[in-house]
Amino acid sequence: AQSVTQLDSQVPVFEEAPVELRCNYSSSVSVYLFWYVQYPNQGLQLLLKYLSGSTLVESINGFEAEFNKSQTSFHLRKPSVHISDTAEYFCAVRGPGGSYIPTFGRGTSLIVHP
Amino acid sequence: GAGVSQSPRYKVAKRGQDVALRCDPISGHVSLFWYQQALGQGPEFLTYFQNEAQLDKSGLPSDRFFAERPEGSVSTLKIQRTQQEDSAVYLCASIQRPGGTDTQYFGPGTRLTVL
Repeated sequence: AQSVTQLDSQVPVFEEAPVELRCNYSSSVSVYLFWYVQYPNQGLQLLLKYLSGSTLVESINGFEAEFNKSQTSFHLRKPSVHISDTAEYFCAVRGPGGSYIPTFGRGTSLIVHP
Repeated sequence: GAGVSQSPRYKVAKRGQDVALRCDPISGHVSLFWYQQALGQGPEFLTYFQNEAQLDKSGLPSDRFFAERPEGSVSTLKIQRTQQEDSAVYLCASIQRPGGTDTQYFGPGTRLTVL
């Protein structure tokens, strides 16, 4: 069985400040890891994913996440946030191969203040 | 279409009513998922289709929930005799190929409110 913990339900931050959204997972097998973003009244959109290879993955809008196997973490970071980054962020984990079903965390609400 | 669409976007039902929620996946996508997202929570898996075959329905919370995808494209999630605890956003997602590492594309969801 897999589980995902997002410790922070809300993260308020000022515009242009750095931010880290934390995600820890537990799994007895190797995993794929994902971050999704959900803007108000919209569906989830994939932000970035770790499948294999380099442990640092980046998105096109400046977010990055690092897979840390020893700490079972996949924290999401951005060095300078914008107002438009205000959204709900979900971390998800799933096993490889035939295990298609991801397990999502409960989400972290990123609130960027001007 | 350009993405996954769901209808209706909002549904209000009286307790005991039956509802049907529709999902139109991206054309040609083989795999389709349904999730339930309660307020303040992440999506919870309900059921999974590969083409018209329902391969996993382990997440359906009760026998009042039923899903189908008869022609391997559009899917319908039906909830019979709705209860207040069924109030949630129901999300649909599709993947081009089963398994592998392809991205799940999510629809905007249907917000169901049971009074």
